[in-house]
Amino acid sequence: GAGVSQSPSNKVTEKGKDVELRCDPISGHTALYWYRQSLGQGLEFLIYFQGNSAPDKSGLPSDRFSAERTGGSVSTLTIQRTQQEDSAVYLCASSPRGAGTQYFGPGTRLTVL
Amino acid sequence: DQQVKQNSPSLSVQEGRISILNCDYTNSMFDYFLWYKKYPAEGPTFLISISSIKDKNEDGRFTVFLNKSAKHLSLHIVPSQPGDSAVYFCAASFPSTGNQFYFGTGTSLTVIP
Repeated sequence: GAGVSQSPSNKVTEKGKDVELRCDPISGHTALYWYRQSLGQGLEFLIYFQGNSAPDKSGLPSDRFSAERTGGSVSTLTIQRTQQEDSAVYLCASSPRGAGTQYFGPGTRLTVL
Repeated sequence: DQQVKQNSPSLSVQEGRISILNCDYTNSMFDYFLWYKKYPAEGPTFLISISSIKDKNEDGRFTVFLNKSAKHLSLHIVPSQPGDSAVYFCAASFPSTGNQFYFGTGTSLTVIP
């Protein structure tokens, strides 16, 4: 079956603009995660959705970052008023339940000029 | 605060020899550990995992060892193949935050033919 997909694969934006990154998880996976990987860094947890529960937003770095998951499936990560330090690869992952193996998408490379 | 550390950013190994990738963690509450492999422009893919009730898990050429007293995890690849060249991330989680995985910064493995 199809894996996790993310769009766009690359996004170049100007400082101060808003961006939306999309993630389509594997069908039937109840858990969805967003991570980012800045240059030379490990994967940094951003936010986690599990079914209809309130999301775990503990990893969001500032209030410019938000995410939603509609209908328990597709998720959108929004970054408002982008800054150059937001430049990173943003990875989405899903898993069949709230713990265990996560299946990653290919990521969105965001460049803020 | 990096709770999972991979202190070797890179490793080169001759084809056919053993590759040993190391990972250290600081939180003794971690009870589940995973290794992911990442090729350029792709998302990480799950490789192998180990629960804290075990000290070894083997899957083909890949073996993960866990030393809880030393808070140390290692991945052995025997024999190493050129296709194993990738970035390897270790990750850890603990029960109360089963949704959040803590990732290391990755080790880039190059297997020389």
